[in-house]
Amino acid sequence: TQLLEQSPQFLSIQEGENLTVYCNSSSVFSSLQWYRQEPGEGPVLLVTVVTGGEVKKLKRLTFQFGDARKDSSLHITAAQPGDTGLYLCAGWAGGTSYGKLTFGQGTILTVHP
Amino acid sequence: ETGVTQTPRHLVMGMTNKKSLKCEQHLGHNAMYWYKQSAKKPLELMFVYSLEERVENNSVPSRFSPECPNSSHLFLHLHTLQPEDSALYLCASSQVYGAAKNIQYFGAGTRLSVL
Repeated sequence: TQLLEQSPQFLSIQEGENLTVYCNSSSVFSSLQWYRQEPGEGPVLLVTVVTGGEVKKLKRLTFQFGDARKDSSLHITAAQPGDTGLYLCAGWAGGTSYGKLTFGQGTILTVHP
Repeated sequence: ETGVTQTPRHLVMGMTNKKSLKCEQHLGHNAMYWYKQSAKKPLELMFVYSLEERVENNSVPSRFSPECPNSSHLFLHLHTLQPEDSALYLCASSQVYGAAKNIQYFGAGTRLSVL
């Protein structure tokens, strides 16, 4: 069974601070995705990384896929209250014609004004 | 707009009731998924339909019964549920095959409370 461990589970910071969320596994994934979920809504895809060592930037968010494709990180620079939400990483191991994803347990981020 | 619509958004039911959750996608996808999201637990994949055929059934109790009449619609029929089944039930869709097959689009979910 593949598992994705996310840390930290909870993060409460002030506006303007930087933060990093980690997603680790002992398994190799063909691709890894990050989703953000706001209260009362479903997860919304932020980014997909597919190549070991890949770095993608989305405004103040930087995503990195580990060289061995077993881990990933999400770094937010100068966090804003609008970044508040549940951040989920999800890995796809391949081997299926559809997207069978393994999800981490999530990181609840609260950014205080 | 996610293109995936779930109804109802909230549902309260007794343990002896029968109800159904509905999911509709307008994205032209041909794979659909049911997930259960409980507090402090990872999303649990329940069922997957690919090209209208059930391809995943992850040890889900028989009190949950999925139905996929076509590639745009997915139902989850519920009967004799237990209080521990209270959770947010999420529907998602994706392409089958191709580079985008692992990118899933989620609905807003149905918040289910079993009394």
